[in-house]
Amino acid sequence: DAGVIQSPRHEVTEMGQEVTLRCKPISGHDYLFWYRQTMMRGLELLIYFNNNVPIDDSGMPEDRFSAKMPNASFSTLKIQPSEPRDSAVYFCASSSAGWGYTFGSGTRLTVV
Amino acid sequence: QQQVKQSPQSLIVQKGGISIINCAYENTAFDYFPWYQQFPGKGPALLIAIRPDVSEKKEGRFTISFNKSAKQFSLHIMDSQPGDSATYFCAASRSAGKSTFGDGTTLTVKP
Repeated sequence: DAGVIQSPRHEVTEMGQEVTLRCKPISGHDYLFWYRQTMMRGLELLIYFNNNVPIDDSGMPEDRFSAKMPNASFSTLKIQPSEPRDSAVYFCASSSAGWGYTFGSGTRLTVV
Repeated sequence: QQQVKQSPQSLIVQKGGISIINCAYENTAFDYFPWYQQFPGKGPALLIAIRPDVSEKKEGRFTISFNKSAKQFSLHIMDSQPGDSATYFCAASRSAGKSTFGDGTTLTVKP
């Protein structure tokens, strides 16, 4: 298995633009998580899915953020409009219930 | 509310020494306690994990010690090497669902 695949690896965008981050989880994993990592706040859980259904989105900062999981092999995190304070590394992770996470390599987002 | 408290924030150890990182949790419903290792520019990677029915688990140079009554667990890295220099995160979760992560410990192993 190629692991959790995230794209793009790096994204630089201008304030106000829409940003879409993509994730392909490990086949057979029934949980998918989106995290944001910054120096100031560490690892923050944004949202997680179980069997493609959003379970907890309480970590989503505001309405500018949205996430979807249309099928078991694909998820997106969208920010619209983006702001400089959204600059961070965004990680996707997947797992089977009761076991540890496999993280992707992350997307480093810079909003200028 | 911080449910998993990790210490120290940073740690410097000489090559060959023992690195010890501690975590404390509050929720007694947690039943899975993993440790993750993160190198710069990479995502965290699962290093070792323990369930509360055992008090210790060892994998190579890495050992988790678990104290259920104190609600504490720790990571010990024996014979620490410069290649172990990374950020380490403890976490706690219930059987299904999200993990709660500690704030991380930056370990530097000096040659």
